[in-house]
Amino acid sequence: QVQLQESGPGLVKPSQTLSLTCTVSGVSISNGNYYWSWIRQPAGKGLEWIGRMFPSGSANYNPSLKSRVTMSVDSSNNQFSLKLSSVTAADTAVYYCASSNTGMGAPLDYWGQGTLVTVSS
Amino acid sequence: QSVLTQPPSASGTPGQRVTISCSGSSSNIATNHVHWYQHLPGTAPRLLIYRNNERPSGVPDRFSGSKSGTSASLAISGLRSEDESDFYCAAWDNSLSDVWVFGGGTKLTVL
Repeated sequence: QVQLQESGPGLVKPSQTLSLTCTVSGVSISNGNYYWSWIRQPAGKGLEWIGRMFPSGSANYNPSLKSRVTMSVDSSNNQFSLKLSSVTAADTAVYYCASSNTGMGAPLDYWGQGTLVTVSS
Repeated sequence: QSVLTQPPSASGTPGQRVTISCSGSSSNIATNHVHWYQHLPGTAPRLLIYRNNERPSGVPDRFSGSKSGTSASLAISGLRSEDESDFYCAAWDNSLSDVWVFGGGTKLTVL
C-alpha cells in the first residue's frame, strides 16, 4: 500500500518561497504507473489542486498557480517536492500530497495527512 | 468558491439513509468520473467511492455513489456515529486546462 508523508517548515514569511517534501513509501516513485500531486486547503475553504508530476518527470500545474509553482522528483530518496514562490497570507493552508494511478479516470487514491503552512511575518 | 457544488451540511440519526449531492458542469462531472472522499481534520482523506460508483476494498457497502448528467450523489445507509466527518466530491475538469476540481465539502452530523 502506498503511504505519503508531507514535511517542511510550518511558517513562511510573505514574499518568500514555500518548500515542502512528500516522502513516499510502499512503491518506488520512479514507478511509471503513478502521478504525484499536491493539493491544499485553506482554513474553512475547499480543496484546491496545485499540480502533479508525470512519470516522465514533467509536470502540469493549476493555471491559477502556474506562474509560482515548481515541482520536482528526488528518486534517490523516493520523494517529490513543491516550491511556491512569492507567498502571501492567501497561501496559508494545509498542504497535502497524493498519488494517482495513470489509468484512465483513476482517482487521487492515497493521501498524506497534510501539513499546515502559515504565511506570516 | 469551489467548482463543484455540495451542500455545506447534512445530518441524520443512526440507522437512517443520507444522501449528499455534488453538482458540476459539462467539463467535469458530465464527461469524467466522480470520486468521493471522507475526511476527518488532521488525517489523510480516505477514498470512499471511485469512478462514480465503485468502492475500494475495505469500504463498507453502506456507502454507494451514482452519477447522472452534471450531478452525482453519495448515499450512506445504516448511518453510524463513526460516519460523522466531512465528505468531498472530486472530478477531472477539461475546461481551459486539465485540472482536478473539488466540491466545497459537506459536514455530516450524526444526531
